[in-house]
Amino acid sequence: EIILTQSPEFQSVTPKEEVTITCRASQSIGASIHWYQQKPGQSPKLLIYYTSKSFSGVPSRFSGNGFGTHFTLTINSLEVEDAATYYCHQSKYGPYTFGQGTKVEIK
Amino acid sequence: QVQLQESGPGLVKPSETLSLTCTVSGGSVSGYIWNWIRQPAGKGLEWIGRIYGSGKPEYNAPLMSRVTMSADTSKNQVSLSLSSVTAADTAVYFCAREPYDLPFDYWGQGALVTVSS
Repeated sequence: EIILTQSPEFQSVTPKEEVTITCRASQSIGASIHWYQQKPGQSPKLLIYYTSKSFSGVPSRFSGNGFGTHFTLTINSLEVEDAATYYCHQSKYGPYTFGQGTKVEIK
Repeated sequence: QVQLQESGPGLVKPSETLSLTCTVSGGSVSGYIWNWIRQPAGKGLEWIGRIYGSGKPEYNAPLMSRVTMSADTSKNQVSLSLSSVTAADTAVYFCAREPYDLPFDYWGQGALVTVSS
């Protein structure tokens, strides 16, 4: 099973700051990493797929990068509505796995 | 607009079987892969398994002996059964659509299932 480790687990940020979340895989998964945003009481929403592709309707301030075992999600100029928990997810190998989540709080 | 709606009992007794249905509207079950994912309160996401619209299932190994998934194209529904439940199975259960060239693009709103006597 591929273990995904996210860091940090929690981040408190002021609006307009840049946020970078890291996801490390226990073995190489190529570009098969995807990012979701989940707000309290809601289901996760797809933001970025295959490392850097933006899903339809996702604001351009969200971007992704990486390859192999090291991946990042960056939120440029954070907005209040971006307060949420962010999860990475790998689909390279079964079983599908998720990172433990990174909670982004607005100061 | 594709919508997924999970439904089923919100309370299941220990040792009994949890059964949930995901009804798909605005799209077809056929031609996609349908996943079940669960999330205990305050915790992360756990992939339970998936089923192709054609009916072929794949399950996460730790749950394999207790999970059954099925797809009913005539009703445009997919179903999840989890047998011999314990309190550890208490969670919000999500169904999610997986196109062949994308990860989970549409999710249901989730169904809270509590295992308790």
